[in-house]
Amino acid sequence: AQTVTQSQPEMSVQEAETVTLSCTYDTSESDYYLFWYKQPPSRQMILVIRQEAYKQQNATENRFSVNFQKAAKSFSLKISDSQLGDAAMYFCAYRSNRDDKIIFGKGTRLHILP
Amino acid sequence: SQTIHQWPATLVQPVGSPLSLECTVEGTSNPNLYWYRQAAGRGLQLLFYSVGIGQISSEVPQNLSASRPQDRQFILSSKKLLLSDSGFYLCAWRPLGRESGNTIYFGEGSWLTVV
Repeated sequence: AQTVTQSQPEMSVQEAETVTLSCTYDTSESDYYLFWYKQPPSRQMILVIRQEAYKQQNATENRFSVNFQKAAKSFSLKISDSQLGDAAMYFCAYRSNRDDKIIFGKGTRLHILP
Repeated sequence: SQTIHQWPATLVQPVGSPLSLECTVEGTSNPNLYWYRQAAGRGLQLLFYSVGIGQISSEVPQNLSASRPQDRQFILSSKKLLLSDSGFYLCAWRPLGRESGNTIYFGEGSWLTVV
């Protein structure tokens, strides 16, 4: 069965600094998608960034970028120039193209220090 | 544009009472639909997903059930709630096709407290 592991329950970063959140996953599939979602205190789940496994180029969205290492099954999220509004719970998620289950990690709570 | 609505937003129910949470998606057709539960301080647990009307896949055996009576309607139910059913319930949908990026979009969530 596929699993998603986020080994950092909590992290803190100084405002304007860079932080990297880790995510590893386990799968025997070759065609899949990976996502990072943000959940602020409002609890609304917001898509941050997504990566198709067949694309070698790492996805970027403004201050957010990923380091996708397919062989190592690693999918880390880098947040540059951290802002107070980035404080939230961040979830890594996986979806195989073979079925419709989307599996989430347990999340990393990110604190931004002013 | 597509939108997803989930209600009620907050619910306090006694143990043993029934439950019905409803979710509808607008602006699309034949979406994949999901119910997740988020217990306090924990990640998202997939409960049910549906790829079409009347097609329900259950991920976690428990006293909850799901139904999809219409294409864009997904209902989470229970005949008798347990204390352990308390949590934050999220409905989500996924458009079909690679061009969508296979992203799923979430509703606003429903807080359920069983007392």
